Amino acid sequence: GAGVSQSPRYKVAKRGQDVALRCDPISGHVSLFWYQQALGQGPEFLTYFQNEAQLDKSGLPSDRFFAERPEGSVSTLKIQRTQQEDSAVYLCASSLGGLQGGTDRRNQPQHFGDGTRLSIL
Amino acid sequence: QQPVQSPQAVILREGEDAVINCSSSKALYSVHWYRQKHGEAPVFLMILLKGGEQKGHEKISASFNEKKQQSSLYLTASQLSYSGTYFCGTATGSSNTGKLIFGQGTTLQVKP
Repeated sequence: GAGVSQSPRYKVAKRGQDVALRCDPISGHVSLFWYQQALGQGPEFLTYFQNEAQLDKSGLPSDRFFAERPEGSVSTLKIQRTQQEDSAVYLCASSLGGLQGGTDRRNQPQHFGDGTRLSIL
Repeated sequence: QQPVQSPQAVILREGEDAVINCSSSKALYSVHWYRQKHGEAPVFLMILLKGGEQKGHEKISASFNEKKQQSSLYLTASQLSYSGTYFCGTATGSSNTGKLIFGQGTTLQVKP
């Protein structure tokens, strides 16, 4: 498909378990973002990748959250020892970014996936 | 730091107009507008850059007042398909990664 793909669509885990969420961005997109969206709220920034480099992880709420994008394409967001407050929709977005984009990254539209709805019991 | 959107919710009849506002206390580089339907991905509508630029997308347009650090989204002759939650996302000059800080959203319901 041409859009951003996220899997799984839904994830239910028991408190204390580890989870891994996958994001497959639009082909050729250099920039990749992870956001967390609580019910009834706007998305909140978690982390940003430019190719394989994680340039901003200021939004990760704790050291239980870890993200990687080892080959500059697919990204995985991992949450260790999940807590109930981790329940949310996790959104991935990609944009052209970098030099390929030709324009400032702040002026580029971000294309979102449908998200992974995570429920911690 | 989070931009403030107003109103929080609005109900319209088909064909009516609406304005959604987004205000920030920080100097903005650009403002992005998205629409999200329940259980779906936010869909990009448009980007407003510094300079008071106005942009349009079908019957949806927006403006950016740099002095007031405010953007407004105008929905003209609303259609049923316009229903959803509208978010503004702001990019500031302090970070060039392109990360967006989103408002809390404005829920729009268009009735026949």
